[in-house]
Amino acid sequence: GQQVMQIPQYQHVQEGEDFTTYCNSSTTLSNIQWYKQRPGGHPVFLIQLVKSGEVKKQKRLTFQFGEAKKNSSLHITATQTTDVGTYFCAGRGTNAGKSTFGDGTTLTVKP
Amino acid sequence: EAGVAQSPRYKIIEKRQSVAFWCNPISGHATLYWYQQILGQGPKLLIQFQNNGVVDDSQLPKDRFSAERLKGVDSTLKIQPAKLEDSAVYLCASSSGSGSPLHFGNGTRLTVT
Repeated sequence: GQQVMQIPQYQHVQEGEDFTTYCNSSTTLSNIQWYKQRPGGHPVFLIQLVKSGEVKKQKRLTFQFGEAKKNSSLHITATQTTDVGTYFCAGRGTNAGKSTFGDGTTLTVKP
Repeated sequence: EAGVAQSPRYKIIEKRQSVAFWCNPISGHATLYWYQQILGQGPKLLIQFQNNGVVDDSQLPKDRFSAERLKGVDSTLKIQPAKLEDSAVYLCASSSGSGSPLHFGNGTRLTVT
C-alpha cells in the first residue's frame, strides 16, 4: 500500500533559524495536505497542493510539491516559538483513495 | 462555524472492557473519518463515511472495533473488548468531500490498563 515518509523525525532549532521538513511518497499523489499539531492539540489544516511543481507561501511558511508529485517540503523562515509543534503531511493517491499521513516532524524552538 | 465535537475527552478502562466514542461533525460535512493516533505517530485512518455509508474501513480491526453513522450526521466508534495496544488518541474529522481538507475534533485520549 501507499507509504508516506517524513524526515527528519525531530528538529531542534534556535529561534530565528530556518527549518525544513520533507515528505516522500512511495506512489504518485493527486494532492498533498499539510497539518500542524501543537503539543496536546489536534491536527490543524495548513495548506493543500495539487499541481506538479506548485509552490505556495503563507507568511514565513513555503510549501512545495515536487515535479513528479511524489514529494513535498515545508520550509519555515526565521522560526519563532509559536512555530513549535509537529508538522504532518498527508498524501492522497491518484485513484481517489484515502489520504495517508506521515509520522510527522516535531519542531522545537529554543528562545 | 462550530467545529467538530467529540466526547469524552479522556477515558481510562481496563483491558477486555468496552468503550464508545461520539463525534458530531461540522454541519453540512458529508464525509466523516475516525483516526487512531498512537503517541509519536501520524493519524491512521480507521474508517471513512460518506453520509451514512462506509467508504473505507480496510484498516478497522473489525473483530473488536465497530462504527456507525446511522443518520448521516453524528457517529459513534466502539471498541469491545479493548486491548492494551488500543491506548491512543481517537480523532474524528470531517470534510466537505473526499480529498478536501480535514477538520479535526479535539480527540478522545484512551488509556487501557
